[in-house]
Amino acid sequence: KAGVTQTPRYLIKTRGQQVTLSCSPISGHRSVSWYQQTPGQGLQFLFEYFSETQRNKGNFPGRFSGRQFSNSRSEMNVSTLELGDSALYLCASSFGQGGGELFFGEGSRLTVL
Amino acid sequence: GDSVTQMEGPVTLSEEAFLTINCTYTATGYPSLFWYVQYPGEGLQLLLKATKADDKGSNKGFEATYRKETTSFHLEKGSVQVSDSAVYFCALSDGAGGTSYGKLTFGQGTILTVHP
Repeated sequence: KAGVTQTPRYLIKTRGQQVTLSCSPISGHRSVSWYQQTPGQGLQFLFEYFSETQRNKGNFPGRFSGRQFSNSRSEMNVSTLELGDSALYLCASSFGQGGGELFFGEGSRLTVL
Repeated sequence: GDSVTQMEGPVTLSEEAFLTINCTYTATGYPSLFWYVQYPGEGLQLLLKATKADDKGSNKGFEATYRKETTSFHLEKGSVQVSDSAVYFCALSDGAGGTSYGKLTFGQGTILTVHP
């Protein structure tokens, strides 16, 4: 079956701009989580959506937001970009039970100039 | 809060050598434990998992045993191959019935390079 699909794979933005990243989960998965991966901080949890509702949130500023649609596809938005937002953004999907396995996409690599 | 401490790398081995990557955790309750692998240019893939104490996860020759008494989940492989070169992440989540759902707490990752 098709895996988790993230678009775009690569993008370059300048400081102050905003960006929207998209994630299509595995068919049947209702949970989508987002992670930020950087060399310095490693993998950090951003938020998780389940049935169009944010169910969990990490420690990121309000510039980072997300949403989930009725077909489980999810988007995350970063407004007023800063240089430190340069990272690989990974999306993961699952059935949504506690302790379950997450399936990751290949990520969207954002570079902020 | 929950945390995962992972053996720092990078680790460089020759083909057919024995591999151990240490992982210890701090968590309340009974977490599920995972090893994920990230090959160059790719997302994370689940390598193996264990959901309760004394469980042994295994896949592709890799093994890890959930040790509650030492709060550890060390990754081992008896004979590594060049194709095992990747970054390995130890992670935990709330166990079944927990509330962290899609949230995994990751270790910093260990870069493994295997030379022919």
